[in-house]
Amino acid sequence: AQKVTQAQTEISVVEKEDVTLDCVYETRDTTYYLFWYKQPPSGELVFLIRRNSFDEQNEISGRYSWNFQKSTSSFNFTITASQVVDSAVYFCALSEALGSAGTASKLTFGTGTRLQVTL
Amino acid sequence: DAGVTQSPTHLIKTRGQQVTLRCSPKSGHDTVSWYQQALGQGPQFIFQYYEEEERQRGNFPDRFSGHQFPNYSSELNVNALLLGDSALYLCACSPGTSGTHSYEQYFGPGTRLTVT
Repeated sequence: AQKVTQAQTEISVVEKEDVTLDCVYETRDTTYYLFWYKQPPSGELVFLIRRNSFDEQNEISGRYSWNFQKSTSSFNFTITASQVVDSAVYFCALSEALGSAGTASKLTFGTGTRLQVTL
Repeated sequence: DAGVTQSPTHLIKTRGQQVTLRCSPKSGHDTVSWYQQALGQGPQFIFQYYEEEERQRGNFPDRFSGHQFPNYSSELNVNALLLGDSALYLCACSPGTSGTHSYEQYFGPGTRLTVT
């Protein structure tokens, strides 16, 4: 069975601070995909990134960066110079390889980390 | 290009009633998944439709059923509503089996269902 753990329930930072959101996952699959989604107060889940299990390169996109470490089953997300607009709930998710019909497989989500950025 | 749309936005039902929620995927996205998100929790997978068939199903009772239409839009039906069915219901779509982006799921704004 797949499992995603986001141990940080809530984090509060002051604007311009860096913040790292932790994600630890469990799976028996050798091929899998990891995701981060942002959920602002409006409720819609916004896709941020997808990482394949066979690609351990870290990725940077603007103020966002992701650190994938297969050895520790972690996929952490860092926001550099946080801004008030970053305030949201962030979810880490895991899926196996394509489903039986070749479609995207179901996502298993963590419980989310609520990030509050204040001035 | 319109994103994923869901209707209605909010809904209030009484225990025992039945409800139908609707989802229209992005253009070119032929796979639709439904998730239930209880307050303070992560979304839980209900089921997925592709080519008008249920392809995967999560751990939800038969009271939860769905349908996909030829234009790829989808409905989620819940019968005999319970108080515990109160949640945000999210629809996610993906571009099917072609290309590397078929692994990615894009979510709609959700329907908030309240059962009283």
